[in-house]
Amino acid sequence: ETGVTQTPRHLVMGMTNKKSLKCEQHLGHNAMYWYKQSAKKPLELMFVYNFKEQTENNSVPSRFSPECPNSSHLFLHLHTLQPEDSALYLCASSRSGQGDEQFFGPGTRLTVL
Amino acid sequence: LAKTTQPISMDSYEGQEVNITCSHNNIATNDYITWYQQFPSQGPRFIIQGYKTKVTNEVASLFIPADRKSSTLSLPRVSLSDTAVYYCLVGPYTGFQKLVFGTGTRLLVSP
Repeated sequence: ETGVTQTPRHLVMGMTNKKSLKCEQHLGHNAMYWYKQSAKKPLELMFVYNFKEQTENNSVPSRFSPECPNSSHLFLHLHTLQPEDSALYLCASSRSGQGDEQFFGPGTRLTVL
Repeated sequence: LAKTTQPISMDSYEGQEVNITCSHNNIATNDYITWYQQFPSQGPRFIIQGYKTKVTNEVASLFIPADRKSSTLSLPRVSLSDTAVYYCLVGPYTGFQKLVFGTGTRLLVSP
């Protein structure tokens, strides 16, 4: 257990569905991240929140919409996804900057049909 | 951001010491070197971090030469459970300048 939890662990959705991924950290960290990991590809940083404010949005399509209501919770809202969006979505948190030790959740395995 | 180069894969046997080298020729003065381990279908896990010389913890050692243009992660006496992908990251400790994980090194430990 890393102190970062993600729900659901598995998700299958159609291209017209709307769903949300949830991440919660119990570590008192100030920064939270969303990463995407496609099959046999490196992790891609999607979004970064620091003290609930979004600091990075690495050219992610608008069909992915993050939300950070407080420093402990992070959501990724999904709508009209494409099959190529099928991947492992990982949430992480760190005390401060990105160079600080990041604690990762177990991930959500997303399949888009 | 400093670009890193690692071997794509390495093979070892149980009980051996494994050294994974990462090249980062354009490392900046304020960059740290961090290593993560990732098992299939799991998030990466922090292993060790250093700035210069040698750092050791309960699971690994990190050797950084004086010019800091490379670093070596040393895993003593590996076991089957050390089979994983190992990532070398280089970047500043603070801020959010898009630290890149890269493709990593896939280590396979055999009996």
